[in-house]
Amino acid sequence: GAGVSQSPSNKVTEKGKDVELRCDPISGHTALYWYRQRLGQGLEFLIYFQGNSAPDKSGLPSDRFSAERTGESVSTLTIQRTQQEDSAVYLCASSLRGQPTDTQYFGPGTRLTVL
Amino acid sequence: GEDVEQSLFLSVREGDSSVINCTYTDSSSTYLYWYKQEPGAGLQLLTYIFSNMDMKQDQRLTVLLNKKDKHLSLRIADTQTGDSAIYFCADEGAGGGNKLTFGTGTQLKVEL
Repeated sequence: GAGVSQSPSNKVTEKGKDVELRCDPISGHTALYWYRQRLGQGLEFLIYFQGNSAPDKSGLPSDRFSAERTGESVSTLTIQRTQQEDSAVYLCASSLRGQPTDTQYFGPGTRLTVL
Repeated sequence: GEDVEQSLFLSVREGDSSVINCTYTDSSSTYLYWYKQEPGAGLQLLTYIFSNMDMKQDQRLTVLLNKKDKHLSLRIADTQTGDSAIYFCADEGAGGGNKLTFGTGTQLKVEL
């Protein structure tokens, strides 16, 4: 079956604009994760969904960041009033149940550039 | 907070063994992972080790865990040019849900 897909693959926006990033997880996966990868750095955890609820939002860097998930499927990460420091690759991953032995499958990422 | 550290770069010759090292600070981590990121491709899980193990072998990959020193390593035997990639170690964060804390990644370059 299909893997995790993300759209758009690239997004260039102007400072102050809002952006929406989309993630389609593997069908049947209940756990969904968003990470951010800044240039030359490791991945930073942003938020985690189990089903449609987000028990852990601890990684969201500010209140400009929000995410939702509907139908235990698609998730959208929204960044309001984008800043240049938001420029990064945003990665989505899904796993079957969110257990430590469940492989997290990563999408190709959305590269966000804020001018 | 939690911290995972790796050296940034490793260069080896084809056919040699590669050893990529990682240190972590979270003593409560029960699982530790190695991921591979190839240019233009997503992250791929290579292997993981449970914290009560000190070694795990999977074909050309050997993971060693020194829990006392909080040190994890990945050994790739008979390294090939196709192994050139960035390798990330990660540990399981606190609070459940298996959110991962990643190191900065080690870029492995395999030379002929």
